[in-house]
Amino acid sequence: AQSVTQLGSHVSVSEGALVLLRCNYSSSVPPYLFWYVQYPNQGLQLLLKYTSAATLVKGINGFEAEFKKSETSFHLTKPSAHMSDAAEYFCAVTGGRGNEKLTFGTGTRLTIIP
Amino acid sequence: DAGVTQSPTHLIKTRGQQVTLRCSPISGHKSVSWYQQVLGQGPQFIFQYYEKEERGRGNFPDRFSARQFPNYSSELNVNALLLGDSALYLCASSRNDPLGGYTFGSGTRLTVV
Repeated sequence: AQSVTQLGSHVSVSEGALVLLRCNYSSSVPPYLFWYVQYPNQGLQLLLKYTSAATLVKGINGFEAEFKKSETSFHLTKPSAHMSDAAEYFCAVTGGRGNEKLTFGTGTRLTIIP
Repeated sequence: DAGVTQSPTHLIKTRGQQVTLRCSPISGHKSVSWYQQVLGQGPQFIFQYYEKEERGRGNFPDRFSARQFPNYSSELNVNALLLGDSALYLCASSRNDPLGGYTFGSGTRLTVV
């Protein structure tokens, strides 16, 4: 079985500051990990994914995440927050081929302070 | 390319009624999945279809059913609606390899009164 835990349901950062959203995973098989963003009244947009290639993954809108097996973590970062980054962020995991359903965390709402 | 299209965008139903939600995947995508997102929570997996075959089912009652058509579009049916079925229902599609990531539609907001 797979699961993810997102630490912090709400995170506030100042515009221009570092964004750090935390995700820890649990998986009985090598995981595939994803970060999705959801803007109000919209669906989910894929930010980036880890599929066992490079451990540092770069995504859209300046976001990146690092897969750390020893820490079972896949934290999302962005060096400088922008007002347009305000949204809900979800970390998700799949169990690999034959078990491709996404298991999502509970989400982190990111607020940007002007 | 058009994205994942879901219809309707919003609907209101009464307890005990039945509802059908529709999803058209991105052209060339053969895998379709359905998720339920209750307000304030992460999406929960309901079904996955690949090449018209059910490939996975989440922990939902038998009131929930789905199917995929030859053109890879999909329908989600929910019978005997309960107030707790009120949620955003998301459809996601992917190419042959869902591990590459899914593309989500904007969802159908279902309100049960």
